[in-house]
Amino acid sequence: RKEVEQDPGPFNVPEGATVAFNCTYSNSASQSFFWYRQDCRKEPKLLMSVYSSGNEDGRFTAQLNRASQYISLLIRDSKLSDSATYLCVVGTYGGSQGNLIFGKGTKLSVKP
Amino acid sequence: NAGVTQTPKFRVLKTGQSMTLLCAQDMNHEYMYWYRQDPGMGLRLIHYSVGEGTTAKGEVPDGYNVSRLKKQNFLLGLESAAPSQTSVYFCASSYGDSDRHFGDGTRLSIL
Repeated sequence: RKEVEQDPGPFNVPEGATVAFNCTYSNSASQSFFWYRQDCRKEPKLLMSVYSSGNEDGRFTAQLNRASQYISLLIRDSKLSDSATYLCVVGTYGGSQGNLIFGKGTKLSVKP
Repeated sequence: NAGVTQTPKFRVLKTGQSMTLLCAQDMNHEYMYWYRQDPGMGLRLIHYSVGEGTTAKGEVPDGYNVSRLKKQNFLLGLESAAPSQTSVYFCASSYGDSDRHFGDGTRLSIL
């Protein structure tokens, strides 16, 4: 049973492109949602939380559709430094009781 | 402010050996976690702790033990290492329901 599913990619895009990642989750009781970024051979780092109303942070926009159990991340005007693996993360009650489920990640490669 | 610090960074063990991975955080977080990350498997939770003196099992606890004697430290032990435990181990901490702050990982190879 795959609780959090992501397209593994890789997504190979040119600089300046817009790219979108999708993620689906199976537990309808999930209450917390995040996107993490993981560079090669590094630790995951929080990119942004995802709120029901959708949220934006600079070139990054995250959206949540609870009815479809679907999360998305949009990156506009891609930079070389955006190359990384993006992890979709979903939590049940609070997300603090160990119940964060990490997707396997979507690899992005931005080319000059 | 170092955040989450893991030691050692790399280790090679022989099957059957034991070792302890140390995680220390200086953010006064109540919650601490140990994950392993394997190719194609994503991050999987081994054990976690919601406070000093408490521990709980995660998704893949077998073959591992943990202790949280001090709030800032969370130790992961392998009593008898097996090749299947070859992985990258990440420690993380969090304040309540917030996001996880990860250490930079321990690469463990078991021959």
